[in-house]
Amino acid sequence: GAGVSQSPSNKVTEKGKDVELRCDPISGHTALYWYRQRLGQGLEFLIYFQGNSAPDKSGLPSDRFSAERTGESVSTLTIQRTQQEDSAVYLCASSFDPAVNPFFGPGTRLTVL
Amino acid sequence: KQEVTQIPAALSVPEGENLVLNCSFTDSAIYNLQWFRQDPGKGLTSLLLIQSSQREQTSGRLNASLDKSSGRSTLYIAASQPGDSATYLCAVRKNSGGSNYKLTFGKGTLLTVNP
Repeated sequence: GAGVSQSPSNKVTEKGKDVELRCDPISGHTALYWYRQRLGQGLEFLIYFQGNSAPDKSGLPSDRFSAERTGESVSTLTIQRTQQEDSAVYLCASSFDPAVNPFFGPGTRLTVL
Repeated sequence: KQEVTQIPAALSVPEGENLVLNCSFTDSAIYNLQWFRQDPGKGLTSLLLIQSSQREQTSGRLNASLDKSSGRSTLYIAASQPGDSATYLCAVRKNSGGSNYKLTFGKGTLLTVNP
């Protein structure tokens, strides 16, 4: 596609459930990022993938959060046992080179009831 | 740790006014600074990117300036239009060292342009 796509666009879940968010980066982009935007806050870095290198997971807020990426394609962000404080917009971004600022997707709005 | 602050948090102006949004950052060792626009339910749209060696960038009615030594950037919007209503985000990228691929964002300025 022409841009970064994310699915679902909206997700409502109950506290304690697991959720999986998907990101399709721009074709050929080796670098992929996940950010989180909680209400009234700036975007927070979560995780970074670059090619086949070990991902930078330093921004993941707890061990309930994990992410995977297969090669240079789709990435999934999984949140286990969701809590109300996980409610946020989760944004994915990609770039063809880590030296270049990434393009952002539309985000997934997660609401945990 | 880099911190980015945007002032004001919200701004409401009548159509046609010129306006300035402010962004400040605590660590001047930046690689670049980027201004984004965010519309409800949509992702971030890049408006202007200023490299650390540059003083300003212009695109149409938008002009962004950078004073790296003082840790400040401004986004100037000329002749504002209702379609400019959105949240404007400022983000900086550190210059070197580990994890210099991360962007540090401010909380944004919510702009409303009234017809």
